[in-house]
Amino acid sequence: AQKITQTQPGMFVQEKEAVTLDCTYDTSDQSYGLFWYKQPSSGEMIFLIYQGSYDEQNATEGRYSLNFQKARKSANLVISASQLGDSAMYFCAMRARTQKLVFGQGTRLTINP
Amino acid sequence: NAGVTQTPKFRILKIGQSMTLQCAQDMNHNYMYWYRQDPGMGLKLIYYSVGAGITDKGEVPNGYNVSRSTTEDFPLRLELAAPSQTSVYFCASSYIGTTEAFFGQGTRLTVV
Repeated sequence: AQKITQTQPGMFVQEKEAVTLDCTYDTSDQSYGLFWYKQPSSGEMIFLIYQGSYDEQNATEGRYSLNFQKARKSANLVISASQLGDSAMYFCAMRARTQKLVFGQGTRLTINP
Repeated sequence: NAGVTQTPKFRILKIGQSMTLQCAQDMNHNYMYWYRQDPGMGLKLIYYSVGAGITDKGEVPNGYNVSRSTTEDFPLRLELAAPSQTSVYFCASSYIGTTEAFFGQGTRLTVV
């Protein structure tokens, strides 16, 4: 079975600081993909970053990076130099052999000026 | 290029009524998904499909049915609507392999 766990219901960070959002996963499959999505208050789902289980380097996309620790089964999202527009819900997700795409509970990030 | 289109955007149903939420994608994607999102919560997978004619249950399938007769369309059927089905419903699609899933704008459903 696939499971994603996000243990931080809410995070508060000062503008321009870096922030790490935690995500742990569970699967018995060797091949899988990990995703992060952002959901602003307007409700749409915005894809941020992807990491494959066989990728040797951590994924990066602009200010977003994914800290992938396979042995610990963690895939934390790091946002550098946070901005007010980063305030949103953030979801970690996983797709494995069955092609199910399952999501965690989410973390609400608030950036304070 | 429309992407993933969901209709309707809003709907109010009475208890016991039935309806179909429509989802269409024009990207020739193999995989399609239906989720529900309750207020302040994460996305729960209802049903998914890896291709035309193939569907499978997700985490919360009870009270819902799907079909996938074409690659483009993946309708979600609610039979005998209940207040517990009040939620925002998202449809998503992705191409074979490891690419991101593209989401529709969502359907806000209220059952009264």
